[in-house]
Amino acid sequence: DAMVIQNPRYQVTQFGKPVTLSCSQTLNHNVMYWYQQKSSQAPKLLFHYYDKDFNNEADTPDNFQSRRPNTSFCFLDIRSPGLGDAAMYLCATSRIQGSSYEQYFGPGTRLTVT
Amino acid sequence: LAKTTQPISMDSYEGQEVNITCSHNNIATNDYITWYQQFPSQGPRFIIQGYKTKVTNEVASLFIPADRKSSTLSLPRVSLSDTAVYYCLVGPDTGRRALTFGSGTRLQVQP
Repeated sequence: DAMVIQNPRYQVTQFGKPVTLSCSQTLNHNVMYWYQQKSSQAPKLLFHYYDKDFNNEADTPDNFQSRRPNTSFCFLDIRSPGLGDAAMYLCATSRIQGSSYEQYFGPGTRLTVT
Repeated sequence: LAKTTQPISMDSYEGQEVNITCSHNNIATNDYITWYQQFPSQGPRFIIQGYKTKVTNEVASLFIPADRKSSTLSLPRVSLSDTAVYYCLVGPDTGRRALTFGSGTRLQVQP
């Protein structure tokens, strides 16, 4: 089945140690999104790619970076994780950018910072 | 983007119909209304989407009045497995801005 895959599902990193989360999709969608979701809060959009066009949300910290080497893969890099970055990180895709196009979410990666 | 307001939580019992209303007073002409469902430790899942009047699928119905300043997600005959958080999103059909999630409604279904 076509899907959005996130690896790993659980990631533990140390304070200040760079970490990379990965997302892949078999849907061949043009748009890929990264969300951060903290406990009991709504998903918060960090950034998204429309093809190779990177769109950063204004309040996304510089500590968060992203790469999309090809249509299928997208990476979230956290350069120096702090305790406040512990959260679920969700990757999503949509065929085209716009609210009429359904977003397909992966299962998420739960990041713990020690 | 249009701001949305939903109840923080709702309780229901199995077999009842649940209606969750979302207010979006400053909805724009080209905005669509979309609802997502999220179970604990999972990513959100698309439920239904509409522009005006009524939309129905195998999971839910979406009622949108003529002024489009609110919308109501209707879940018929809920079961325990419908316990989840439900998010209402409003945003343009096209454009560079991506959707943002509101605070959501936590639905608890009791036996």
